[in-house]
Amino acid sequence: DAGVIQSPRHEVTEMGQEVTLRCKPISGHNSLFWYRQTMMRGLELLIYFNNNVPIDDSGMPEDRFSAKMPNASFSTLKIQPSEPRDSAVYFCASSPWGTVSTDTQYFGPGTRLTVL
Amino acid sequence: KQEVTQIPAALSVPEGENLVLNCSFTDSAIYNLQWFRQDPGKGLTSLLLIQSSQREQTSGRLNASLDKSSGRSTLYIAASQPGDSATYLCAVPEGGSQGNLIFGKGTKLSVKP
Repeated sequence: DAGVIQSPRHEVTEMGQEVTLRCKPISGHNSLFWYRQTMMRGLELLIYFNNNVPIDDSGMPEDRFSAKMPNASFSTLKIQPSEPRDSAVYFCASSPWGTVSTDTQYFGPGTRLTVL
Repeated sequence: KQEVTQIPAALSVPEGENLVLNCSFTDSAIYNLQWFRQDPGKGLTSLLLIQSSQREQTSGRLNASLDKSSGRSTLYIAASQPGDSATYLCAVPEGGSQGNLIFGKGTKLSVKP
């Protein structure tokens, strides 16, 4: 398996623009997670899906952020409009069942977002 | 609210040295604890998962211990190698087995040849 695939790997945009990050989880995994990593705050969960349904989006910072999972093999994280404080590395991860007690999460390589 | 702390933030050692990385958490009612490795520009890779009923887990030169009552875990790396250079993060589930993972900010390890 190719692992979790994220695109783009790097994104540079200007404040106010819409940004869409993409993720393809490992085939057969039932859960998908979106994280954001910054120097100040470390790694934070934004949202997670189980069987394509959003389970917990309490980490989504505000209405400018939205995430979708239209099918088991694809998810998007959208920021509209983007702001400089959104600059971070965004990771997608998937796990077989989403039960953190026994499952481990497999992380993608991340998308480094820079908002100017 | 669960908080996870890792000290030190960075560590530099000569090759061959044995070393210990520390992780502490504020709520001892955890279900398990995981250690991850993150290489520059890459995602996280799970190294070890210790269930709350276990005291330690071993994988090759890595040994992770867990002391729930004191809210601490350590990751012991034996005979360190330059290839061990990476950032090591620990994480615990928030609020039980179904909880989201709460991560520490990591310890950046540099092993000098």
